[in-house]
Amino acid sequence: DTGVSQDPRHKITKRGQNVTFRCDPISEHNRLYWYRQTLGQGPEFLTYFQNEAQLEKSRLLSDRFSAERPKGSFSTLEIQRTEQGDSAMYLCASSLGGTFNTEAFFGQGTRLTVV
Amino acid sequence: AQKVTQAQTEISVVEKEDVTLDCVYETRDTTYYLFWYKQPPSGELVFLIRRNSFDEQNEISGRYSWNFQKSTSSFNFTITASQVVDSAVYFCALMAGNNRKLIWGLGTSLAVNP
Repeated sequence: DTGVSQDPRHKITKRGQNVTFRCDPISEHNRLYWYRQTLGQGPEFLTYFQNEAQLEKSRLLSDRFSAERPKGSFSTLEIQRTEQGDSAMYLCASSLGGTFNTEAFFGQGTRLTVV
Repeated sequence: AQKVTQAQTEISVVEKEDVTLDCVYETRDTTYYLFWYKQPPSGELVFLIRRNSFDEQNEISGRYSWNFQKSTSSFNFTITASQVVDSAVYFCALMAGNNRKLIWGLGTSLAVNP
Protein backbone atom coordinates (compact mmCIF):
# COMPACT_ATOMS: atom_id res chain seq x y z
CA ASP A 1 0.00 0.00 0.00
CA THR A 2 1.60 3.22 -1.13
CA GLY A 3 -1.05 5.69 0.05
CA VAL A 4 -1.60 7.58 3.29
CA SER A 5 -2.94 5.29 5.98
CA GLN A 6 -4.96 6.34 9.02
CA ASP A 7 -5.97 4.31 12.02
CA PRO A 8 -8.57 3.82 13.32
CA ARG A 9 -11.17 4.58 10.65
CA HIS A 10 -13.87 5.14 13.22
CA LYS A 11 -13.76 5.99 16.91
CA ILE A 12 -16.63 6.42 19.31
CA THR A 13 -15.71 7.75 22.71
CA LYS A 14 -17.37 9.14 25.78
CA ARG A 15 -17.02 12.80 26.60
CA GLY A 16 -14.00 13.39 28.78
CA GLN A 17 -11.97 10.45 27.47
CA ASN A 18 -8.67 10.80 25.64
CA VAL A 19 -8.25 9.54 22.09
CA THR A 20 -5.22 9.07 19.85
CA PHE A 21 -5.15 8.72 16.09
CA ARG A 22 -2.29 7.52 13.93
CA CYS A 23 -1.24 8.53 10.42
CA ASP A 24 1.32 6.81 8.23
CA PRO A 25 2.26 9.07 5.31
CA ILE A 26 3.59 8.09 1.93
CA SER A 27 7.10 6.95 2.72
CA GLU A 28 9.16 9.52 0.81
CA HIS A 29 6.98 12.48 1.85
CA ASN A 30 8.56 14.81 4.37
CA ARG A 31 5.52 17.01 4.99
CA LEU A 32 2.58 15.80 7.01
CA TYR A 33 -0.65 17.66 7.70
CA TRP A 34 -3.63 17.21 9.96
CA TYR A 35 -6.99 18.66 9.00
CA ARG A 36 -10.44 18.41 10.55
CA GLN A 37 -13.67 18.31 8.58
CA THR A 38 -17.22 18.64 9.84
CA LEU A 39 -20.34 17.89 7.85
CA GLY A 40 -20.95 20.30 5.00
CA GLN A 41 -17.66 22.10 5.46
CA GLY A 42 -14.31 22.08 3.79
CA PRO A 43 -11.31 20.71 5.66
CA GLU A 44 -9.91 22.96 8.37
CA PHE A 45 -6.16 23.11 8.96
CA LEU A 46 -4.92 21.90 12.34
CA THR A 47 -1.16 21.49 12.11
CA TYR A 48 1.72 20.54 9.87
CA PHE A 49 5.14 18.91 10.18
CA GLN A 50 8.24 19.10 8.05
CA ASN A 51 10.07 15.92 8.95
CA GLU A 52 9.84 15.73 12.76
CA ALA A 53 9.44 19.48 13.32
CA GLN A 54 5.96 20.85 13.96
CA LEU A 55 6.15 24.10 12.00
CA GLU A 56 2.65 25.45 12.30
CA LYS A 57 -0.30 24.94 14.55
CA SER A 58 -3.72 26.47 14.05
CA ARG A 59 -4.95 28.92 16.65
CA LEU A 60 -8.17 26.97 16.51
CA LEU A 61 -6.40 24.09 18.18
CA SER A 62 -6.92 24.18 21.91
CA ASP A 63 -4.41 22.92 24.45
CA ARG A 64 -6.31 19.65 24.54
CA PHE A 65 -4.91 18.78 21.12
CA SER A 66 -1.36 17.63 20.60
CA ALA A 67 0.40 16.12 17.62
CA GLU A 68 3.76 14.43 17.26
CA ARG A 69 5.90 13.03 14.52
CA PRO A 70 8.79 11.60 16.52
CA LYS A 71 11.00 10.19 13.79
CA GLY A 72 9.70 12.12 10.85
CA SER A 73 7.66 9.18 9.68
CA PHE A 74 4.28 8.40 11.23
CA SER A 75 2.35 10.95 13.26
CA THR A 76 -0.11 10.81 16.13
CA LEU A 77 -2.85 13.25 17.04
CA GLU A 78 -4.12 13.12 20.60
CA ILE A 79 -7.22 14.80 21.93
CA GLN A 80 -7.50 14.98 25.70
CA ARG A 81 -10.77 15.35 27.61
CA THR A 82 -12.85 15.06 24.48
CA GLU A 83 -15.91 17.26 24.02
CA GLN A 84 -18.91 16.78 21.79
CA GLY A 85 -17.67 19.60 19.60
CA ASP A 86 -14.63 17.49 18.73
CA SER A 87 -16.83 15.14 16.73
CA ALA A 88 -15.54 15.37 13.17
CA MET A 89 -13.53 13.62 10.50
CA TYR A 90 -9.81 13.96 11.15
CA LEU A 91 -7.81 13.89 7.94
CA CYS A 92 -4.12 13.32 7.49
CA ALA A 93 -2.24 14.26 4.33
CA SER A 94 1.34 14.12 3.17
CA SER A 95 3.36 15.80 0.46
CA LEU A 96 6.88 16.32 -0.79
CA GLY A 97 8.44 19.53 0.45
CA GLY A 98 10.91 21.54 -1.55
CA THR A 99 11.18 24.56 -3.77
CA PHE A 100 7.76 24.02 -5.22
CA ASN A 101 4.72 23.11 -3.23
CA THR A 102 3.35 19.84 -4.38
CA GLU A 103 -0.04 18.32 -4.03
CA ALA A 104 -1.04 16.71 -0.76
CA PHE A 105 -2.39 13.16 -0.72
CA PHE A 106 -4.99 12.36 1.86
CA GLY A 107 -5.79 9.31 3.89
CA GLN A 108 -9.30 8.02 4.35
CA GLY A 109 -9.69 9.84 7.63
CA THR A 110 -10.66 8.93 11.17
CA ARG A 111 -14.26 9.69 12.03
CA LEU A 112 -14.57 10.63 15.69
CA THR A 113 -17.89 10.62 17.48
CA VAL A 114 -17.99 11.92 21.03
CA VAL A 115 -21.09 10.85 22.94
CA ALA B 1 -6.45 37.64 3.32
CA GLN B 2 -6.65 34.34 1.51
CA LYS B 3 -10.00 32.94 0.63
CA VAL B 4 -11.65 30.46 -1.71
CA THR B 5 -15.28 30.81 -2.71
CA GLN B 6 -17.33 28.08 -4.31
CA ALA B 7 -20.65 29.77 -4.84
CA GLN B 8 -22.50 26.66 -5.95
CA THR B 9 -23.48 24.58 -2.95
CA GLU B 10 -25.26 21.83 -4.86
CA ILE B 11 -25.62 20.97 -8.52
CA SER B 12 -27.81 18.26 -9.98
CA VAL B 13 -27.49 17.13 -13.58
CA VAL B 14 -28.59 14.25 -15.72
CA GLU B 15 -26.00 11.84 -17.00
CA LYS B 16 -24.15 12.97 -20.13
CA GLU B 17 -24.71 16.64 -19.41
CA ASP B 18 -21.69 18.92 -19.15
CA VAL B 19 -21.27 20.70 -15.83
CA THR B 20 -18.98 23.49 -14.67
CA LEU B 21 -17.99 24.02 -11.05
CA ASP B 22 -16.93 27.53 -10.18
CA CYS B 23 -14.05 28.57 -7.96
CA VAL B 24 -13.00 32.11 -7.14
CA TYR B 25 -9.94 32.79 -5.01
CA GLU B 26 -8.41 35.74 -3.20
CA THR B 27 -4.77 36.27 -2.36
CA ARG B 28 -2.25 39.10 -2.44
CA ASP B 29 0.64 36.75 -3.06
CA THR B 30 2.00 36.55 -6.57
CA THR B 31 3.09 32.95 -6.11
CA TYR B 32 0.33 30.54 -5.30
CA TYR B 33 -1.06 27.14 -6.18
CA LEU B 34 -4.63 26.11 -6.87
CA PHE B 35 -6.01 22.62 -6.44
CA TRP B 36 -9.15 20.64 -7.05
CA TYR B 37 -10.03 17.62 -4.94
CA LYS B 38 -12.91 15.17 -5.22
CA GLN B 39 -14.54 13.69 -2.12
CA PRO B 40 -16.79 10.74 -2.97
CA PRO B 41 -19.22 9.33 -0.39
CA SER B 42 -16.44 7.11 0.95
CA GLY B 43 -14.88 10.28 2.36
CA GLU B 44 -11.34 10.17 1.01
CA LEU B 45 -10.13 13.35 -0.67
CA VAL B 46 -8.79 12.53 -4.10
CA PHE B 47 -6.36 14.92 -5.74
CA LEU B 48 -7.40 15.99 -9.25
CA ILE B 49 -5.16 18.83 -10.35
CA ARG B 50 -2.63 21.45 -9.23
CA ARG B 51 -2.00 24.69 -11.09
CA ASN B 52 0.61 27.29 -10.19
CA SER B 53 0.09 31.02 -10.60
CA PHE B 54 2.62 31.34 -13.40
CA ASP B 55 0.96 28.79 -15.62
CA GLU B 56 -2.31 29.97 -17.09
CA GLN B 57 -2.56 27.22 -19.64
CA ASN B 58 -5.82 25.40 -19.45
CA GLU B 59 -5.67 21.68 -18.98
CA ILE B 60 -7.72 18.78 -20.19
CA SER B 61 -7.60 15.30 -18.76
CA GLY B 62 -10.12 12.98 -20.33
CA ARG B 63 -13.58 14.31 -19.50
CA TYR B 64 -12.15 16.85 -17.05
CA SER B 65 -10.94 20.31 -17.98
CA TRP B 66 -9.85 23.33 -15.99
CA ASN B 67 -9.99 27.00 -16.93
CA PHE B 68 -7.58 29.22 -15.00
CA GLN B 69 -8.20 32.97 -15.42
CA LYS B 70 -5.94 35.23 -13.34
CA SER B 71 -7.81 38.31 -14.55
CA THR B 72 -10.95 37.15 -12.77
CA SER B 73 -9.20 35.09 -10.05
CA SER B 74 -11.08 32.02 -11.12
CA PHE B 75 -10.16 28.38 -11.55
CA ASN B 76 -13.24 26.64 -12.89
CA PHE B 77 -13.64 22.92 -13.42
CA THR B 78 -15.73 21.37 -16.18
CA ILE B 79 -16.84 17.77 -16.46
CA THR B 80 -17.89 16.82 -19.96
CA ALA B 81 -20.47 14.08 -20.51
CA SER B 82 -20.97 13.56 -16.79
CA GLN B 83 -21.40 10.07 -15.36
CA VAL B 84 -23.03 8.78 -12.19
CA VAL B 85 -19.57 7.98 -10.80
CA ASP B 86 -18.78 11.71 -10.90
CA SER B 87 -21.23 12.25 -8.05
CA ALA B 88 -19.20 13.65 -5.18
CA VAL B 89 -18.31 16.82 -3.35
CA TYR B 90 -15.66 18.81 -5.19
CA PHE B 91 -13.35 21.17 -3.35
CA CYS B 92 -11.22 23.97 -4.68
CA ALA B 93 -8.22 24.91 -2.54
CA LEU B 94 -5.46 27.53 -2.46
CA MET B 95 -1.90 27.47 -1.14
CA ALA B 96 -0.27 30.90 -1.33
CA GLY B 97 3.00 32.59 -0.52
CA ASN B 98 4.92 31.00 2.32
CA ASN B 99 1.83 29.28 3.62
CA ARG B 100 2.10 25.52 3.60
CA LYS B 101 -1.53 24.90 4.45
CA LEU B 102 -4.43 24.62 2.07
CA ILE B 103 -7.25 27.14 2.24
CA TRP B 104 -10.44 25.40 1.17
CA GLY B 105 -13.73 26.40 -0.32
CA LEU B 106 -16.90 24.96 1.17
CA GLY B 107 -17.25 22.50 -1.67
CA THR B 108 -19.83 21.87 -4.37
CA SER B 109 -21.93 18.75 -4.07
CA LEU B 110 -22.51 17.30 -7.53
CA ALA B 111 -25.25 14.76 -8.12
CA VAL B 112 -25.30 13.06 -11.50
CA ASN B 113 -28.56 11.26 -12.02
CA PRO B 114 -29.09 8.40 -14.47
